[in-house]
Amino acid sequence: NAGVMQNPRHLVRRRGQEARLRCSPVKGHSHVYWYRQLPEEGLKFMVYLQKENIIDESGMPKERFSAEFPKEGPSILRIQQVVRGDSAAYFCASSPMTGDMNTEAFFGQGTRLTVV
Amino acid sequence: DQQVKQNSPSLSVQEGRISILNCDYTNSMFDYFLWYKKYPAEGPTFLISISSIKDKNEDGRFTVFLNKSAKHLSLHIVPSQPGDSAVYFCAASPRYNTDKLIFGTGTRLQVFP
Repeated sequence: NAGVMQNPRHLVRRRGQEARLRCSPVKGHSHVYWYRQLPEEGLKFMVYLQKENIIDESGMPKERFSAEFPKEGPSILRIQQVVRGDSAAYFCASSPMTGDMNTEAFFGQGTRLTVV
Repeated sequence: DQQVKQNSPSLSVQEGRISILNCDYTNSMFDYFLWYKKYPAEGPTFLISISSIKDKNEDGRFTVFLNKSAKHLSLHIVPSQPGDSAVYFCAASPRYNTDKLIFGTGTRLQVFP
């Protein structure tokens, strides 16, 4: 998985707590994508970010979820006041330029969030 | 609304034989199709892709076929090997938004000796 680093790999949170998921893209990649995989389902697009900009957040729940990709540092997916239904695997992917999700995007190993 | 469908949740194939994984889609605006392979506890890895202007793309043991009129694509793996055992996801990219992939629900392939 070509250098996309996600941490933590596993995260357990109690209902109502906040979850922060981090993604460091492949060096030189300026485009980051977040996907969520619920049990027994495929990956669902959440958000697409470039450095300091959210380009497409059409897949993000309107409440409790936010994402950022600052000029310095990793991309962060933040889930506030987690509920059991947020339990899923969250995958980050990065690509060097726009339009390259087709062939040049690499996925990280994912963060498995469990809400208890 | 599941725009990309993989109707077979699992497939079991003997080593050396052909594995055929199928995928159907509903959105005629999809322009690019990809197959990803995923091992447990790992992220998806890109396997092979095909543009809508083609009907076949081959890469070693992997071939993807696209039938646009039927809105159907398939992945052929021949010969199948035990290391191919994984979950395979079909994904599609809309012509108007190449930065978003729509994934199917996956097919778990098991290749037995």
